[in-house]
Amino acid sequence: DQQVKQNSPSLSVQEGRISILNCDYTNSMFDYFLWYKKYPAEGPTFLISISSIKDKNEDGRFTVFLNKSAKHLSLHIVPSQPGDSAVYFCAANIGTNAGKSTFGDGTTLTVKP
Amino acid sequence: DVKVTQSSRYLVKRTGEKVFLECVQDMDHENMFWYRQDPGLGLRLIYFSYDVKMKEKGDIPEGYSVSREKKERFSLILESASTNQTSMYLCASSTRTSGRLYEQFFGPGTRLTVL
Repeated sequence: DQQVKQNSPSLSVQEGRISILNCDYTNSMFDYFLWYKKYPAEGPTFLISISSIKDKNEDGRFTVFLNKSAKHLSLHIVPSQPGDSAVYFCAANIGTNAGKSTFGDGTTLTVKP
Repeated sequence: DVKVTQSSRYLVKRTGEKVFLECVQDMDHENMFWYRQDPGLGLRLIYFSYDVKMKEKGDIPEGYSVSREKKERFSLILESASTNQTSMYLCASSTRTSGRLYEQFFGPGTRLTVL
């Protein structure tokens, strides 16, 4: 039973346009969500997060939107840059669970110059 | 600069060998994690530890064990390596006390091949 799903394995966008990466979850106990970016041959690095008490969090070019009723979150990157090309993982946490995260399968983003 | 290091970037072992993967973090983090990453399967949690000598099974603990004798070090042990354990292994750590809750810091990964 996969509790966090990223249904698009890959996404390709043109430089300067918006990238939208999606993530769905099934467990209503999740109350904190994170996005990580991973380059080849490196470990994932934290990108942005959102608590379930919010519906939007913004950090520079990156914005995460949370729709609790739909159990859906999305990461928007505006404008997209070639350096954003990476695998993006969505992760979800339950507040009482000792920091354990459940990760999605990842979406490979390619930004074309 | 915070850091999680893993003992090897690449490792080749034979079926049946005992394999040790070491992870060290210098951030005084309470929590440490071991994942494996396989194409199309994302990051799957093998074991995690929230304190010295404490450990909990993750989603796929079969065939693995762990050891955490010191706060900064978390070891993953493959008692008898099998070919289906060929994978990328990632270690991570996190703290329960920082303002950015639940953020995990990852090491660079160990690409293990079992022949």
